[in-house]
Amino acid sequence: QQPVQSPQAVILREGEDAVINCSSSKALYSVHWYRQKHGEAPVFLMILLKGGEQKGHDKISASFNEKKQQSSLYLTASQLSYSGTYFCGTDSSDFGNEKLTFGTGTRLTIIP
Amino acid sequence: EAQVTQNPRYLITVTGKKLTVTCSQNMNHEYMSWYRQDPGLGLRQIYYSMNVEVTDKGDVPEGYKVSRKEKRNFPLILESPSPNQTSLYFCASSLQGARGYGYTFGSGTRLTVV
Repeated sequence: QQPVQSPQAVILREGEDAVINCSSSKALYSVHWYRQKHGEAPVFLMILLKGGEQKGHDKISASFNEKKQQSSLYLTASQLSYSGTYFCGTDSSDFGNEKLTFGTGTRLTIIP
Repeated sequence: EAQVTQNPRYLITVTGKKLTVTCSQNMNHEYMSWYRQDPGLGLRQIYYSMNVEVTDKGDVPEGYKVSRKEKRNFPLILESPSPNQTSLYFCASSLQGARGYGYTFGSGTRLTVV
């Protein structure tokens, strides 16, 4: 079952902050975040593992609440280059057969 | 350069004509997977492979076949394509699967079945 992302779309001005949420109905072992620009392939941003800490680099960070089966992606002081569609991918499988299931995406538009 | 290479980038074909989309990675990754992307539905997994000769169904495997005879290659086969398989297809690989490693995606193959 696909994780649910919210919001579906958001428009921000340069310099504003954004939060994208990802929620699953299953227990999660890891959560991935990817960004896809129009006409391009998704690009890996970061992975959060069960029992791990909040991750981040530059002004993009993420958290993982295992109990609530939720993850959030934080974009601080957004730049024009942050525009694109963000996907979370959740790994909720057992038995070592790791399968990544993606949400339907959040379209982020940054305007000057 | 470390990459996942898909071919072709664009393909228009007719219903029922068998086709193969190739995928090759040069990173010695054990895990490879195929996804299709459709508007409003995100990325849905078709098949994945944990290692050579080990493949398993994803969420939407009907109408597709795969094989993994070599570590670097993971072709996607449509034996009898139908219009509902018109989509954007991505191949992805990772070192050992989803649990600890990010995926590297190919550039995509846009398939149209008429």
